[in-house]
Amino acid sequence: AQKITQTQPGMFVQEKEAVTLDCTYDTSDPSYGLFWYKQPSSGEMIFLIYQGSYDQQNATEGRYSLNFQKARKSANLVISASQLGDSAMYFCAMREDGGFKTIFGAGTRLFVKA
Amino acid sequence: EAQVTQNPRYLITVTGKKLTVTCSQNMNHEYMSWYRQDPGLGLRQIYYSMNVEVTDKGDVPEGYKVSRKEKRNFPLILESPSPNQTSLYFCASSLSWGARDYGYTFGSGTRLTVV
Repeated sequence: AQKITQTQPGMFVQEKEAVTLDCTYDTSDPSYGLFWYKQPSSGEMIFLIYQGSYDQQNATEGRYSLNFQKARKSANLVISASQLGDSAMYFCAMREDGGFKTIFGAGTRLFVKA
Repeated sequence: EAQVTQNPRYLITVTGKKLTVTCSQNMNHEYMSWYRQDPGLGLRQIYYSMNVEVTDKGDVPEGYKVSRKEKRNFPLILESPSPNQTSLYFCASSLSWGARDYGYTFGSGTRLTVV
């Protein structure tokens, strides 16, 4: 069965520094997609970045990059040059190619300090 | 504007009183889904739909019903709400399913309180 684990309930980072949010996953499907979403305090959910299991390169979207280590089954989100507006809850999610469900981790709350 | 419209934003109801949370998307997405968000548990999938008249259970379907009579609409029905269904609910849609780059577009959320 597919599973997503985010072990950091909360994290602090200084403004302008980089931060890594951890995500590990488990699946028996060789083809799957990994997603990160951001939930600011206002409550909406925002899609940030996607990584496919067969992608040769790590995904990047602006200041967001995904450190994908397939053998370790980890898909960590790296935010470079943190900004105050990055303070939010971040969720890792996975979707298997052979299934119809998308599962989410418990989330990591990031606090950016000025 | 491409969006998922979810209503109402806030709802307080009493135990046993049937309610419906509406969800509509204007992006011609095939896949739609309902999630509930509870502290410490992340988002848990309630039901999903791959297309019109095709729905299936997620991980926490008990106490909920859905229908997909039109491609754009995917209402969530609580026939007899109970206090343990107090939660933040999200409707989400994506172009399709599978491992491809089909990220979700989410509705604004519905905060439901059952007393």
